[in-house]
Order: sequence, then C-alpha cells, then structure tokens
Amino acid sequence: KNQVEQSPQSLIILEGKNCTLQCNYTVSPFSNLRWYKQDTGRGPVSLTIMTFSENTKSNGRYTATLDADTKQSSLHITASQLSDSASYICVVGSGGATNKLIFGTGTLLAVQP
Amino acid sequence: GAGVSQSPSNKVTEKGKDVELRCDPISGHTALYWYRQRLGQGLEFLIYFQGNSAPDKSGLPSDRFSAERTGESVSTLTIQRTQQEDSAVYLCASSLQRGNTYEQYFGPGTRLTVT
Repeated sequence: KNQVEQSPQSLIILEGKNCTLQCNYTVSPFSNLRWYKQDTGRGPVSLTIMTFSENTKSNGRYTATLDADTKQSSLHITASQLSDSASYICVVGSGGATNKLIFGTGTLLAVQP
Repeated sequence: GAGVSQSPSNKVTEKGKDVELRCDPISGHTALYWYRQRLGQGLEFLIYFQGNSAPDKSGLPSDRFSAERTGESVSTLTIQRTQQEDSAVYLCASSLQRGNTYEQYFGPGTRLTVT
C-alpha cells in the first residue's frame, strides 16, 4: 500500500533555532518527492520538489534531502521565524499520467518567540 | 491573476442535503485535481480532470460524489445526500499540464460541515 509517514507529528521550537522534519515513504512507482507548507486555513504551497536523481534541494532557509535507497526524506529549516509556524507536508508523486500525489499527515510546527 | 480560487470558503449543511463546491483554476491550466482533507489526516485524492474529461475518478468515495468541468476551466464537485462523514476541507489544485513534474497549485479550500 502506498504510504507516506512523517515524524514528529508536532514540534515546538524557539525562534532562531533550526529543526529537521522526517518523512518515510513506501510508494511505487516513485516519481518525485515534494515538501509543502500549509498555513492554517490555506491550501498547501510547494517548497521543494525532487526527482529520483536529486539528493538535496534548497529554497531559502528550507533544505530538503532525499535518499531514494532508504526511501527517506528530511526537511531542514534554518534560523526559524515566527512565520514558519505551519503544517509541513511530505508528498510523493506516484508516477503515471495522472501525476497522483500521496500525502503524509504533516508535521505541525510552532515557532515561539 | 491570481491563483486557484474556491467557493464557498465555508459551508454548513444538514445531513441529507446536496452541496456544490466550486473551483476556478489558474487560467490556462489544463489539469485540475480535487482532494479531501479530513481533520488530522493527509489529503486524499478524489478526481483528476484533463481538459473537460476525467480520466481518473478512482478516489471518489461513493456514487454520491460527482464532479464536472466545463470550458476547460471551472469545476464543480457535487455531494448528494450528504453524510456527517463527508465533513472535511475540500481542496482543488490545478497544474499547467498533467505529468509528474508539473507543479500543482492549491486553492484555499472549502470547509464543509454536515450537521
């Protein structure tokens, strides 16, 4: 069964600190892996997208890594800001013409002053 | 200019009533997706449109759910005889074309509450 699991479920950090979110997946066939940020009451917004051959991709203070062998990904947030408070969702594209995405349940991050 | 828009933003309905949810994709995007997000759960794929046709309806949970798209633009998701388990946020996304590397842009969602 295609699944995407994320940890931790929730996380509280102080402003300015770094954090790393984890994602494990069992999706076949694998096409790509994305990290989305979802603010409360809003739709998800893409942060990064990586294909099979990419190991790391950065978007400002966000850096995603992908290990296709172990089927693991991480999202590292550097020098956190209050506006980083959101749910971070790991999403795996399952391949094929539909571009079907399998979503994790997200990590809820709260950045406190 | 905008991004994907959805209406209404919130809908409260009584069990057994029909509801229609609307999605306006980004102009020129040929692919359109509907997802459901239940509280505390990940997004579930419902249906995908390429143009006005729906080659993948595999995520629709029952025959009470249907969707259409017209003019390769607006899409409507209809839920008939709503049940309490239909309560969720319904999200629409569009992408320039189908294919694994095209970005999907999400709307803000419609929060449906069935009482």
